[in-house]
Amino acid sequence: EVQVVESGGGLVKPGGSLRLSCAASGFAFSTYNMNWVRQAPGKGLEWVSSVSGGSGYIYYADSVKGRFTISRDNAKNSLYLQMNSLRADDTAVYYCASESIWGQGTLVTVSS
Amino acid sequence: QSVLTQPPSASGTPGQRVTISCSGSNSNIGGNTVTWYQQIPGTAPKLLIYNNDDRPSGVPDRFSGSKSGTSASLAISGLQSDDEAVYYCAAWDDGLNGPVWVFGGGTKLTVL
Repeated sequence: EVQVVESGGGLVKPGGSLRLSCAASGFAFSTYNMNWVRQAPGKGLEWVSSVSGGSGYIYYADSVKGRFTISRDNAKNSLYLQMNSLRADDTAVYYCASESIWGQGTLVTVSS
Repeated sequence: QSVLTQPPSASGTPGQRVTISCSGSNSNIGGNTVTWYQQIPGTAPKLLIYNNDDRPSGVPDRFSGSKSGTSASLAISGLQSDDEAVYYCAAWDDGLNGPVWVFGGGTKLTVL
């Protein structure tokens, strides 16, 4: 079965850090560009970051540039998002996604 | 404010045909393909249409997509109650600092 499963979300204080993980299975992960997309409560979808299959190209939304770092380990079929200096407006469900494959998301809540 | 513009809501009765529009610019829809997603509340987005008008296997042919210039549309014919969901358009934008995956604000479809 083709799927991606996110983990690592939780409650963190403003200024804190969190690392999200995404485990992929059922497809040739290394050939897919992968993304993190987030959705704040009651809001629409917002792209966060992308990484190409071989990690040669990495892009970030302006809202997270300098604070978040995307990475992948193709040997482990895994995608990661290191989130530092978290703010209240980073609160959202974070989805690991290619354009065609989406996980169920992991909730990140930034609150004191 | 979303880069791609969608109407916030749409509605129809069972059996009807409804159309959802998505407006962008030369840097996104005008130069790249459009993808449509369906999101039922509490679940992850599901791919409906890719490459402007292609349907993944498993998506009924009641769903169709089209693109003209800097605008795109999603049409749903033979409306059913379980089509009630939020629909998002998406496209890559050729940003000055690299590509950005942009989304519409979402259209909430109500089946009356």
